[in-house]
Amino acid sequence: ETGVTQTPRHLVMGMTNKKSLKCEQHLGHNAMYWYKQSAKKPLELMFVYNFKEQTENNSVPSRFSPECPNSSHLFLHLHTLQPEDSALYLCASSRGAQSSYNEQFFGPGTRLTVL
Amino acid sequence: AQKVTQAQTEISVVEKEDVTLDCVYETRDTTYYLFWYKQPPSGELVFLIRRNSFDEQNEISGRYSWNFQKSTSSFNFTITASQVVDSAVYFCALSEGGGANNLFFGTGTRLTVIP
Repeated sequence: ETGVTQTPRHLVMGMTNKKSLKCEQHLGHNAMYWYKQSAKKPLELMFVYNFKEQTENNSVPSRFSPECPNSSHLFLHLHTLQPEDSALYLCASSRGAQSSYNEQFFGPGTRLTVL
Repeated sequence: AQKVTQAQTEISVVEKEDVTLDCVYETRDTTYYLFWYKQPPSGELVFLIRRNSFDEQNEISGRYSWNFQKSTSSFNFTITASQVVDSAVYFCALSEGGGANNLFFGTGTRLTVIP
């Protein structure tokens, strides 16, 4: 595997379900990110982890819970979601989150549908 | 206020035509970075280019070229002799020089190249 991978690619869940999204990067990076992409809106940064420590929580509702056990893996735990949470969730990584210079490398995303 | 504006929501061109995608940004920082990403139908954002605020030289990479003008706060992207494989959504993004690698994305321009 190379680059940034995300599983599952598609997920349909009910509002009472609990599910998790997984992201793995094979680039030796130290920073990982979760973004939400909704139709006709800019990508929204949700969380940033730098060396496994959360450095940014962009006012995300508590029904989204991130976990970063190491610099290569990032999870997004979902529970009691709302239909408006349906979106493409993108994971990204970069060399470090402390420099605005570093480009981010993105995974293919998980298309989430909440019924 | 939105930091990155991509006024063109959708553009269609016939193959081999040239096309320019516009990007206007807003920042008070003197040090910042501008990026272009391509999002093909597969979903992952692909990094195309990064420019820093102190380098206004235009850049050319094959059929791609970028025009950075600080006087108009613009960072436009031109594809010469477009091909069907260029069909994608293109995002312009800004990272400010505060030390955190937070990207502010525009809403994207969907480019369709018609054979």
